[in-house]
Amino acid sequence: ENVLTQSPGTLSLSPGERATLSCRASQSVYSNFLAWYQQTPGQAPRLLIYGASNRATDIPDRFSGSGSGTDFTLSISRVEPEDFAVYYCQQYGSSPYTFGQGTKLESK
Amino acid sequence: EVQLVESGGGLVQPGGSLRLSCAVSGFLVSNNFMTWVRQAPGKGLELVSVIYTSGGTFSADSVKGRFTISRDKSKNTVFLQMNSLRVDDTAIYYCARENGYSGFDHWGQGTLVTVSS
Repeated sequence: ENVLTQSPGTLSLSPGERATLSCRASQSVYSNFLAWYQQTPGQAPRLLIYGASNRATDIPDRFSGSGSGTDFTLSISRVEPEDFAVYYCQQYGSSPYTFGQGTKLESK
Repeated sequence: EVQLVESGGGLVQPGGSLRLSCAVSGFLVSNNFMTWVRQAPGKGLELVSVIYTSGGTFSADSVKGRFTISRDKSKNTVFLQMNSLRVDDTAIYYCARENGYSGFDHWGQGTLVTVSS
C-alpha cells in the first residue's frame, strides 16, 4: 500500500498570503496519478487537481499542483476566504487507492 | 447536469445490515468506474469499494467479506450492501465517479451510517 503523508497538519494564514501544502508518498506514484481535493465543513470533497498538475473544471487558477515521483505540492497563490478548508491528496495509480490524512488551512 | 444522490443510511445495531443506494443522472454507471468512499467522524477519507466497467469489484481489506458493491443498469444506480456491521463502520458514505486519469470528479452529498447499540 502506498502511504501518503501530508504536511503540515494545520496551516494558519491570512487572506492574500501564499499557501504551500505537501504530500509525500512512500512509493513512487504511478504515472503521477495524484489528485488534490478540498473539503469544507459538511460538504463532500471537491476535486481540485488531477494528474499532479491539471486543474479540474471550474477551479480558479490561483490553485496549482506540482511534483512527481514521491513528492507533490499544492499551492494557492493568494488565499481567499473561501479557501479555508481541509485538503487531501490521493494516489489512484496503484491499488489500493489511498488518501493522505489531510491538511487543515485555517484563518490566522 | 451530473448528480449523484445517496440514500439508505441510518442507525443500525452492531451485527446488522444496511443497503446504500447511489442514484446517478448525467452519465451511465455501467460506462464508468464507480466507488464508495467513507469518512469516519472527524477523520480522513477511505476508499471502501469500486465497481469497474467490466463488473469486477474491489473491496478494502477492512470491509472484505462483509460489504458488496453492485449496480443496476436499468435504474442507473450503484449499491453498497453492508453486512455484519461494526461500530468502526460508523461514517459518512460518499458515492463518487472515478474518471481514470481525471480522478474522482463527481461526488454525492453523502449518507450517514451510525452503528451503535
